[in-house]
Amino acid sequence: ETGVTQTPRHLVMGMTNKKSLKCEQHLGHNAMYWYKQSAKKPLELMFVYSLEERVENNSVPSRFSPECPNSSHLFLHLHTLQPEDSALYLCASSQDGVSNTEAFFGQGTRLTVV
Amino acid sequence: KNQVEQSPQSLIILEGKNCTLQCNYTVSPFSNLRWYKQDTGRGPVSLTIMTFSENTKSNGRYTATLDADTKQSSLHITASQLSDSASYICVVSAWEAGTALIFGKGTTLSVSS
Repeated sequence: ETGVTQTPRHLVMGMTNKKSLKCEQHLGHNAMYWYKQSAKKPLELMFVYSLEERVENNSVPSRFSPECPNSSHLFLHLHTLQPEDSALYLCASSQDGVSNTEAFFGQGTRLTVV
Repeated sequence: KNQVEQSPQSLIILEGKNCTLQCNYTVSPFSNLRWYKQDTGRGPVSLTIMTFSENTKSNGRYTATLDADTKQSSLHITASQLSDSASYICVVSAWEAGTALIFGKGTTLSVSS
């Protein structure tokens, strides 16, 4: 275990549903991230939070809505998703938001949109 | 454009054999290079991290090398085990604010008995 916990591990949702992914880290890190991993593609950065403020949003569609209530928790709220949004969603944390610090990843949530 | 290319895309070896995975990058300005191991359906786990001045770093049966001049890195796995079956991802980061982590597509390694 890396100290980053994601729930649920698997999620199947319809295109009209609303669901949320949760990430929690117990490492005392200040930065948290959401990544999307589709089949045969590299990890894609979605959002970055540093000290609970969003510092990066990589042109992610508005149907994905992040929330960071404190430095230990990160959510990804999902609504009206498309089948192409099916992927492994990974949360990561690092000591700070600078690129040369190591990122620790959670186990991921396998999302299937039907 | 910052890119990380890995080869081969996939590899099958027999248990006990050695193998080497390659990573070429065009990231600038270079900060560090990491190798991650990702088991199927799980998050990546860091194996090694190397800065500009480091040429080699080992972690058990895993040895990573870095040639910053040619912008190449390799991950050598010695005496492979069935549990080494996974995707190995090369990640290069640039010296800039934010999170400039550039991920390769990974090499899928299958170790068979």
